[in-house]
Order: sequence, then C-alpha cells, then structure tokens
Amino acid sequence: KQEVTQIPAALSVPEGENLVLNCSFTDSAIYNLQWFRQDPGKGLTSLLLIQSSQREQTSGRLNASLDKSSGRSTLYIAASQPGDSATYLCAVRGQGGSEKLVFGKGMKLTVNP
Amino acid sequence: ETGVTQSPTHLIKTRGQQVTLRCSSQSGHNTVSWYQQALGQGPQFIFQYYREEENGRGNFPPRFSGLQFPNYSSELNVNALELDDSALYLCASSSGLAGFGGELFFGEGSRLTVL
Repeated sequence: KQEVTQIPAALSVPEGENLVLNCSFTDSAIYNLQWFRQDPGKGLTSLLLIQSSQREQTSGRLNASLDKSSGRSTLYIAASQPGDSATYLCAVRGQGGSEKLVFGKGMKLTVNP
Repeated sequence: ETGVTQSPTHLIKTRGQQVTLRCSSQSGHNTVSWYQQALGQGPQFIFQYYREEENGRGNFPPRFSGLQFPNYSSELNVNALELDDSALYLCASSSGLAGFGGELFFGEGSRLTVL
C-alpha cells in the first residue's frame, strides 16, 4: 500500500528565503507525481506534474525534482514571498496510470514579511 | 477555458440525511474523480468516472455513490450521513487516456458539515 509522507508538517520562514519542501513515498513504482498548493478552505491548485521518466520540472520560481528509486521528491521555492503562504501537498499515482492519487498530509508554509 | 466548478460551496445536514454534490469538469476533460478531505488531512480518493462509468473506487462504503453525465459533469451522493462525513469534498477532472494518468485539476470544493 502506497504511503506518502511530508515532513515537517509546518514551516515558518522570513521572506526571501529559498525553500526545499520534501515528499517521500514508500512504493517506487509510480506513474507520476504531482505537487499542489491549497489555500485555507479552498481547493487544490496544481503546481507541477512530473512523469516517472522525468527528473525535474520547473515553473517560474518553482522547481520539483523526482528520485523514483529512493522514493523522494522535493519542491524548491526560490526567493519566497508572503503570497507563497499556503499548504503544499504532494501526491503520487501508481504505475500503469492508476486511477487514484495518494496524497501526503501536506506541509503548511508561512512566509513572514 | 472554464475550470472545474462545484456546487454548493457550503452546506449543513443532519445525521441520517442524504446529500448530492455537483461538479462540472474542465472543458475538454472526460474523467472526473472525487476526493474527501478531512480537516488537517490529505485528500482521500472516493471514486473516478470515465465515460459515465465508475472505473476505480477507494475504501468508501456503498452509501457513497456517483454519476457521470454525457457532458462529463458528475454528482456525488452520500446517503445516511454520519458525523464523520463532515469534510471538504473535492472534484477533479483530467483527460488521460482511458481515464488514467492525466494531470488532475481540482475545483474549490464543497464543505459539508453534518450535525
């Protein structure tokens, strides 16, 4: 059974710092991995999707890497801003393009001005 | 391009009642998935619909049921509501081949409170 872990559960940093958010998964047989952002009481916004054959994806100040063999992904946020404050979740899809995503519990990020 | 829309945004029910939540998928997407997110937890997969048929289900009892319509919109029905059903219900759409593998795009969710 796939399990996804995000540690720490919360992080508070001053504005301008470069951040690394971690995600680990127990079964390396994944199809893809997706990072999401969730603002309080809102839905999920897709940030980056990495296919199992890829090592990283970039979008603006965000860069996500994937090391499938070790069961790890990281989301790098450059020059953090107060607007980046949100909960960040990673989710994996099983090999073969399984119908479901398995989510971690998320990491609550607070960027202080 | 219209994103995923869900209704209602908030609702309150009492234990034992029934509820229907609605979702319109993003334009061009043929697959709809439903997730339940309890407070402080990650979303849990309920089921997925592709071409009006359920093609995957998570660990939820039969009182959770759904429909997908020819225009790819979807409904989630929950019967005999329990207190633990209080959660944010998220709908996601995607356009993967045969319903698998595509990037998921989520709506804003329906917040259900069961008293």
